[in-house]
Amino acid sequence: GENVEQHPSTLSVQEGDSAVIKCTYSDSASNYFPWYKQELGKRPQLIIDIRSNVGEKKDQRIAVTLNKTAKHFSLHITETQPEDSAVYFCAATRVGGFKTIFGAGTRLFVKA
Amino acid sequence: GAVVSQHPSRVICKSGTSVKIECRSLDFQATTMFWYRQFPKQSLMLMATSNEGSKATYEQGVEKDKFLINHASLTLSTLTVTSAHPEDSSFYICSAHGWGTEGEAFFGQGTRLTVV
Repeated sequence: GENVEQHPSTLSVQEGDSAVIKCTYSDSASNYFPWYKQELGKRPQLIIDIRSNVGEKKDQRIAVTLNKTAKHFSLHITETQPEDSAVYFCAATRVGGFKTIFGAGTRLFVKA
Repeated sequence: GAVVSQHPSRVICKSGTSVKIECRSLDFQATTMFWYRQFPKQSLMLMATSNEGSKATYEQGVEKDKFLINHASLTLSTLTVTSAHPEDSSFYICSAHGWGTEGEAFFGQGTRLTVV
């Protein structure tokens, strides 16, 4: 079945450094790749997304890249801040109300 | 963005009882809703897909007779955990897709279920 792998499971960085989280997906029909940030006990919050017709998207300190051929996509956070500490999930789905498959999550710690 | 409201946010119930969780789309019509379960420090695991007016589609390993899903209208889906047991204790969260939401999933607040 569909699968999304995410690495690393835990990431610890110094404030101001960059953080990179990588994912791969198995369903070649996937065309929408959202990234979510989840704080303890709360719902996932969409932070950025990318569609299969683009290779890169940036929103301030956050950027996402997509390699459709390799079925890889990555999240890049620059100039990390302590408030970036949370669990981040990548996901893959198809536009049109199809189910979203989540990666296992990356617990990001940003040390002040 | 679109708003999805989920209730209750927390529930504690006795073993053997049933618990109903509601998921409502407040400002859009949700043609499809999804139910996830999240154990501590783990990812969101899809339990079932709920389409308005039809039977839910359950993921492999999810007991449909234990987790009853009803999607009677375009704004409401319910998940009933029947004969709950302590191992059912988890964070349950719904997400909704509607017309024109272009793939983005809108999540409810989640329900923390504790079975004692």
